[in-house]
Amino acid sequence: DVKVTQSSRYLVKRTGEKVFLECVQDMDHENMFWYRQDPGLGLRLIYFSYDVKMKEKGDIPEGYSVSREKKERFSLILESASTNQTSMYLCASSFGGETQYFGPGTRLLVL
Amino acid sequence: KQEVTQIPAALSVPEGENLVLNCSFTDSAIYNLQWFRQDPGKGLTSLLLIQSSQREQTSGRLNASLDKSSGRSTLYIAASQPGDSATYLCAPLGGGNKLTFGTGTQLKVEL
Repeated sequence: DVKVTQSSRYLVKRTGEKVFLECVQDMDHENMFWYRQDPGLGLRLIYFSYDVKMKEKGDIPEGYSVSREKKERFSLILESASTNQTSMYLCASSFGGETQYFGPGTRLLVL
Repeated sequence: KQEVTQIPAALSVPEGENLVLNCSFTDSAIYNLQWFRQDPGKGLTSLLLIQSSQREQTSGRLNASLDKSSGRSTLYIAASQPGDSATYLCAPLGGGNKLTFGTGTQLKVEL
């Protein structure tokens, strides 16, 4: 079974802090994705990566950056957290255009 | 830009009923369409993936159909059970391996 893990289930941070969210997959998938999910807005793609050190902006990249130094790990970085980044963050991975497998999510609260 | 609509937004049915969840999308240039299930506060679980060349895909009590030209997909759940209670999301896959999500149908199956 594919396993996608996220470093934290819940996080509470202060405005202006730098926040790292980590995602690890164990199936050698080339594609990895970061989404955020908000009530009434659904899941929106922040960034994705189709190979090590490669990244592409999604629909809402502003305020975020990413890092992919190893194939199995994809990190989302909030350089200076703001209250409007309070959300549920979901990571996913896939092989080609096949099924995306999701992690359990990280619920981030920025105070 | 792809837009995905799911109807109804919420549905409550008694146990044992057969039900249909609807998904429509505006851009028919898709590679496949995926249906997911999300339990409260959790990540997404893949249910079915229909390739753009397919009309139908089945898994157990679930059957998904795809009419790419009209931009529609349906998820049929037979003999619903309380354990089916969750939010169901459809997501067509477009260029760049990008999924676009609807806001989901929240299903409650009552005893």
